[in-house]
Amino acid sequence: NAGVTQTPKFQVLKTGQSMTLQCAQDMNHEYMSWYRQDPGMGLRLIHYSVGAGITDQGEVPNGYNVSRSTTEDFPLRLLSAAPSQTSVYFCASSQSSASPGELFFGEGSRLTVL
Amino acid sequence: GENVEQHPSTLSVQEGDSAVIKCTYSDSASNYFPWYKQELGKRPQLIIDIRSNVGEKKDQRIAVTLNKTAKHFSLHITETQPEDSAVYFCAASTGFQKLVFGTGTRLLVSP
Repeated sequence: NAGVTQTPKFQVLKTGQSMTLQCAQDMNHEYMSWYRQDPGMGLRLIHYSVGAGITDQGEVPNGYNVSRSTTEDFPLRLLSAAPSQTSVYFCASSQSSASPGELFFGEGSRLTVL
Repeated sequence: GENVEQHPSTLSVQEGDSAVIKCTYSDSASNYFPWYKQELGKRPQLIIDIRSNVGEKKDQRIAVTLNKTAKHFSLHITETQPEDSAVYFCAASTGFQKLVFGTGTRLLVSP
């Protein structure tokens, strides 16, 4: 099993550009989520999904869109990149949405917005 | 919403010493408290978790304690080793999978 796979690992954007961070899991997990990690601020939840076709906002959703058309994939779209979105992004999945348990993280995507 | 505070932000110990990291949470409905370890440049990985119906849980050299009345929980690492050096995050959940993380503790274990 590959677990949670994120692409790309590194990306540099100019202000105003759009892009999509890809996330795929092969564990048939119900729950998928996106976090951003900034120095001194821990991991903050951007968006999450409890199953195909269902998404909701986390703590810091502004400037990001998500969709969940299949159980396996949960892409994160940056609509118009801003320097404040420079961060490391982690996708994470878990088996159950209803009962909290281990989150499995991808390797992360480091995004720089100039 | 839930707020999780974590202290200290950095912790330096000598190999063989014990290390303690503390977290407080604000939402009394929180009932799941995991700890994640993140090595430099790597992804966070779960090392131990505790649910609100348990006061303490141990796994070899690591243990977690929970005080629901005071709304705080702690990670204890005994006989620290250089490979324990990493950033540790606590988190809390009110029963669903949404986790609120603390800001992290950088642990440095010197040989």
